[in-house]
Amino acid sequence: DVKVTQSSRYLVKRTGEKVFLECVQDMDHENMFWYRQDPGLGLRLIYFSYDVKMKEKGDIPEGYSVSREKKERFSLILESASTNQTSMYLCASSLGSGVAEETQYFGPGTRLLVL
Amino acid sequence: QKEVEQNSGPLSVPEGAIASLNCTYSDRVSQSFFWYRQYSGKSPELIMSIYSNGDKEDGRFTAQLNKASQYVSLLIRDSQPSDSATYLCAVNGKRNNRLAFGKGNQVVVIP
Repeated sequence: DVKVTQSSRYLVKRTGEKVFLECVQDMDHENMFWYRQDPGLGLRLIYFSYDVKMKEKGDIPEGYSVSREKKERFSLILESASTNQTSMYLCASSLGSGVAEETQYFGPGTRLLVL
Repeated sequence: QKEVEQNSGPLSVPEGAIASLNCTYSDRVSQSFFWYRQYSGKSPELIMSIYSNGDKEDGRFTAQLNKASQYVSLLIRDSQPSDSATYLCAVNGKRNNRLAFGKGNQVVVIP
């Protein structure tokens, strides 16, 4: 079974703080993703990575950066947290780009509150 | 036009009935289609994937794909209270390695 873990389930931070969210997958997947999910807005892709040190902007990258130094680990960084970044953050991974390889498996999520 | 649309509002079904969810997509070249279930406060979990036209059954779940009409549906037979959740449709789209997700449909199974 694919296992995707996230460093925290709940996090409370102050405005202006630098925030690190970490995601680890154990199935040698090529692709890793960071989403945020807000009521009424669905899942929105922030960034994704298709290889070590490779990243691509998603639909809402502003205010975020990412790092993928090892294949199994993908970090999301909020450089200066703001209240509008309060959200549920979901990490996912997928095997590759072929048919049937694009299935995404999600971590448990991190609920971030920025005060 | 949104890549993936799930237009129905919350769906209430009595226990034991069939719940039917629909999803349309815009990219004609899409090849991979997924249904995820998400319980309140939890992350999405995969329940079905389908790649060919027609029906695919897995237990009480049946996914139906019609590429000509660009829709994919999910039927839940003999609905149980544990099926109460939000169901997300996902499709591989124009951009490699990514999935486009619908906003989801909430299903409430009434005992």
